[in-house]
Amino acid sequence: QQQVKQSPQSLIVQKGGISIINCAYENTAFDYFPWYQQFPGKGPALLIAIRPDVSEKKEGRFTISFNKSAKQFSLHIMDSQPGDSATYFCAASSLTGGGNKLTFGTGTQLKVEL
Amino acid sequence: DTAVSQTPKYLVTQMGNDKSIKCEQNLGHDTMYWYKQDSKKFLKIMFSYNNKELIINETVPNRFSPKSPDKAHLNLHINSLELGDSAVYFCASSPGGGDEQFFGPGTRLTVL
Repeated sequence: QQQVKQSPQSLIVQKGGISIINCAYENTAFDYFPWYQQFPGKGPALLIAIRPDVSEKKEGRFTISFNKSAKQFSLHIMDSQPGDSATYFCAASSLTGGGNKLTFGTGTQLKVEL
Repeated sequence: DTAVSQTPKYLVTQMGNDKSIKCEQNLGHDTMYWYKQDSKKFLKIMFSYNNKELIINETVPNRFSPKSPDKAHLNLHINSLELGDSAVYFCASSPGGGDEQFFGPGTRLTVL
């Protein structure tokens, strides 16, 4: 059972364009929605995160849009750069006894071309 | 000044062997995790420890046994390795009750 669905699986964007990755979740107990960025051979690193009490969060070129009623959230990367080429994972979690159990989406491989 | 470190980075072994992966964090976090990333890059949590106490134990074969000697270390021991165990294993840590998880560089396990 895939509790967090992510699309697209891969994405090619021209330099300077907007990259958009979408996720949908099922479990209404989720209360934390992070996006992780992973470069080849490295561990995932937190990019940006949102809680369900706000509909949007922006950090630099990265924005999360959150729609609680639709149980969907998305990552927008403005002015995409070749250095943004990586795999992006959405995730969701709810606090479980002192630790957060992250449920990840299936990942989106982003390539930004010159 | 590595935050979350894992050893070894690569591990190649034969089916049926027993192996261990070590993880250490110097962030002072209370909670540590093990994740498995399969060949399709899907990340799934395996275990979580909070102050040396097991708090999350997903549906993982009992051939996998985590051990936390102190809150800065969480090791993963795998018995009777199988071909399907081949994956990249990531250790992570987070502050007690905190949201952000900091991942290690991963250990690529290949079972032949």
